[in-house]
Amino acid sequence: NAGVMQNPRHLVRRRGQEARLRCSPMKGHSHVYWYRQLPEEGLKFMVYLQKENIIDESGMPKERFSAEFPKEGPSILRIQQVVRGDSAAYFCASSPAAGITEAFFGQGTRLTVV
Amino acid sequence: AQSVSQHNHHVILSEAASLELGCNYSYGGTVNLFWYVQYPGQHLQLLLKYFSGDPLVKGIKGFEAEFIKSKFSFNLRKPSVQWSDTAEYFCAVRAGNTGKLIFGQGTTLQVKP
Repeated sequence: NAGVMQNPRHLVRRRGQEARLRCSPMKGHSHVYWYRQLPEEGLKFMVYLQKENIIDESGMPKERFSAEFPKEGPSILRIQQVVRGDSAAYFCASSPAAGITEAFFGQGTRLTVV
Repeated sequence: AQSVSQHNHHVILSEAASLELGCNYSYGGTVNLFWYVQYPGQHLQLLLKYFSGDPLVKGIKGFEAEFIKSKFSFNLRKPSVQWSDTAEYFCAVRAGNTGKLIFGQGTTLQVKP
């Protein structure tokens, strides 16, 4: 019974490249959340998705960032033309529903932009 | 806007000392409250949660927290910490029926053996 799986664990990108972060939710979970943790800060909500739908993207930067959760396969957080300020830990969480349930977190992807 | 404030950014204790980490939130409606722990190099794990009912909730590893609605607080406590409790602790709030969590800045706890 695997937990939330994120890959890669560590990702190094040069400025201007694209970063793709993957998140496979727990079995039976159809709700996925992405959070970003900047150095010395707490986790900040980015986006909430259900299968094939973006429910809440109020925390996503307006440019260069996008997320999807297709019918088949993992959820993808995509960052185009990365800049140094994108360096952070990106965490994915999943839950079976949006109501009174807890979310389970993955181990995160640490993105370093050089 | 909803927000969560953790009072202590860095706490250093000796083993067997008692722990209390403060957490206050701002939201006037129904909330669900959580404490997560992140051990070095690992993912966030749920320590405990409050949805409704008894405001004193017990979690794993001897932790407990008390929801005081009038103070908008959800402080985490442990009577006697161990070296293995060294980690970062996050308070989080889920407001209304939204799925997203609002996190505090985190508190780094260092327990000296």
